[in-house]
Parts: sequence; C-alpha cells; structure tokens
Amino acid sequence: AQSVTQLGSHVSVSEGALVLLRCNYSSSVPPYLFWYVQYPNQGLQLLLKYTSAATLVKGINGFEAEFKKSETSFHLTKPSAHMSDAAEYFCAVSAYFGNEKLTFGTGTRLTIIP
Amino acid sequence: KAGVTQTPRYLIKTRGQQVTLSCSPISGHRSVSWYQQTPGQGLQFLFEYFSETQRNKGNFPGRFSGRQFSNSRSEMNVSTLELGDSALYLCASSPLPGSGEKLFFGSGTQLSVL
Repeated sequence: AQSVTQLGSHVSVSEGALVLLRCNYSSSVPPYLFWYVQYPNQGLQLLLKYTSAATLVKGINGFEAEFKKSETSFHLTKPSAHMSDAAEYFCAVSAYFGNEKLTFGTGTRLTIIP
Repeated sequence: KAGVTQTPRYLIKTRGQQVTLSCSPISGHRSVSWYQQTPGQGLQFLFEYFSETQRNKGNFPGRFSGRQFSNSRSEMNVSTLELGDSALYLCASSPLPGSGEKLFFGSGTQLSVL
C-alpha cells in the first residue's frame, strides 16, 4: 500500500523567501510521486511528477522537487515566493506508472506574506 | 481545447435524496476518474472508467456509483445522501488508462447535504 504524509497543514512565507513544502511517502514498490496545486474554487493542477527518470524534478511556475529514497521524501521547493503562489498544495503517490488511482496527502495551505 | 467540465458547479440536497453529477472529459480523453475532497478526509479516489467499464474502485459504500457513456462522458450517482457526503467532487480525465501522469482535473461540483 502507498501513502504520503505532508508535514504542516499551513505554511507561511514572506514574498521573495524560500518555499519548502514537505512530503514523505511510504510505498512497498518504487513509487511514482506527484505534486498538485489547487487554487480557490478550482480543480487540481499538476506541478511536477517523479517517474524515476531523474531525482531532481523541475515543474511549472519555478517549483522543483527532489526524490530522496534514503529519506523517503519528495519535498517541494521554490527559491523565491510570489504572491500568486498562495494556494493549497497536495503531494500524491501512485502504485505504478500511469495509474489513475492516486493517494493524496492531506494538503498544505501556503500563505504568502507581503 | 476545452478542459474537463463538471456540472453543476454547486448543488444543495437534503438527507435521503439522491444526486447525479456530470463530467465531460477533455476532447480525445477516454479515461475518467472521480475523487471526493473533504476537509476531514482530504482527497479520496472513488472510481475510474474506461470504455464504459469501471476499471478501479476506491473504498466507498455501494451508495456511490458511476457510469461512462460511449462519448466518454461520465456521471456519478450518490443515493440516500448522508450529511457526510457533503464534499467537493472532482472529475479527472486522461487520454487512456495507464496515462495517469497526464490527469487533468475539473473544477469540481460542490455538494452540500442538509
């Protein structure tokens, strides 16, 4: 079975500061990992995905995430926060590549302080 | 290219009633998945359809059902509504089964059960 744990349901950072959203996974098989973003009153948008090709994954809007097997982590980072980054972020895992059945974390709400 | 379209956007029902939600996938996408999003449980997988057949099912009671039509549009039905069914129901489409990394989500239907 697969699961993900997102540490911190709320994170606040100042505009221009580093964004770090934490995600740890548990999987009995090599995982496929995703980060999604949800803006208010909208659906989910894929930020980036890890599919074993490279441990450092670059996504849209300047976000990136690094897969660390030894730490079972897939933390999301962005060097400089922008006001438009304020949203809820979800980490997700699937059992195998291409599986539509995703297991999501509980989400982290990111607030940007002007 | 139009995105995933979900109707209605908002719905208010009372306990014991039934409800039908609709999802039109992106043109050319043939796989449709449904998720329930609640503040307490987060995002949970309901089911996935392809070629009018259910391929995958989450851990939800039989009151939750779905179907897919020959044009790939999908509906989900919840019978005998309970207060706990209040949630945002998200539909996602992908080109084919096994292309879950190409999931695109709709904006959801917000269901309130009174």
